[in-house]
Amino acid sequence: AQRVTQPEKLLSVFKGAPVELKCNYSYSGSPELFWYVQYSRQRLQLLLRHISRESIKGFTADLNKGETSFHLKKPFAQEEDSAMYYCAPALMNNNAGNMLTFGGGTRLMVKP
Amino acid sequence: EAGVAQSPRYKIIEKRQSVAFWCNPISGHATLYWYQQILGQGPKLLIQFQNNGVVDDSQLPKDRFSAERLKGVDSTLKIQPAKLEDSAVYLCASSFGTSGRTLFFGPGTRLTVL
Repeated sequence: AQRVTQPEKLLSVFKGAPVELKCNYSYSGSPELFWYVQYSRQRLQLLLRHISRESIKGFTADLNKGETSFHLKKPFAQEEDSAMYYCAPALMNNNAGNMLTFGGGTRLMVKP
Repeated sequence: EAGVAQSPRYKIIEKRQSVAFWCNPISGHATLYWYQQILGQGPKLLIQFQNNGVVDDSQLPKDRFSAERLKGVDSTLKIQPAKLEDSAVYLCASSFGTSGRTLFFGPGTRLTVL
């Protein structure tokens, strides 16, 4: 079955420490991959997409097809990075092509 | 630009009652989505519209949930009758097209079923 897994419900780090939020997916094809973020009292919003190979707010995400992973990384965490992060691959849906599927989310807490 | 609007923001009902949620997407966005987010879980797609047609409703519990987007703009999601396990945040999102993966989310409606 196709699915996406974020193994850590909560990740707590100190300010300035490196951060890695893990995401693993099971899918036979080559999905598009995204990270969405929800800051406190704000709406869920797109953080970055792997196809753009961009760095947003210091975050990057590398697609590892061999390990079927798409981990989100930042070398130096900031307090304002505290939020819920959702990995969201677009997986094949028979009815509608590739369907965006959200992982269970990881809450990142950056302590001062 | 104005974002996705949803109402109400909160709703408390008793089991077996009915409830309806409303969503107004970003102007010009042809694709509209309804997601259900149960506490501690990621959002789960219930239904996806392209204009006023249904693209995917495979995860919509059709015995109690219904949704429509009659004029290809606003949408309503209804639950009738509600069960305790329907307690969740219902998120509406829109995107410019079906191939676009940038979804713009509304603030959500938090439903509590007692």
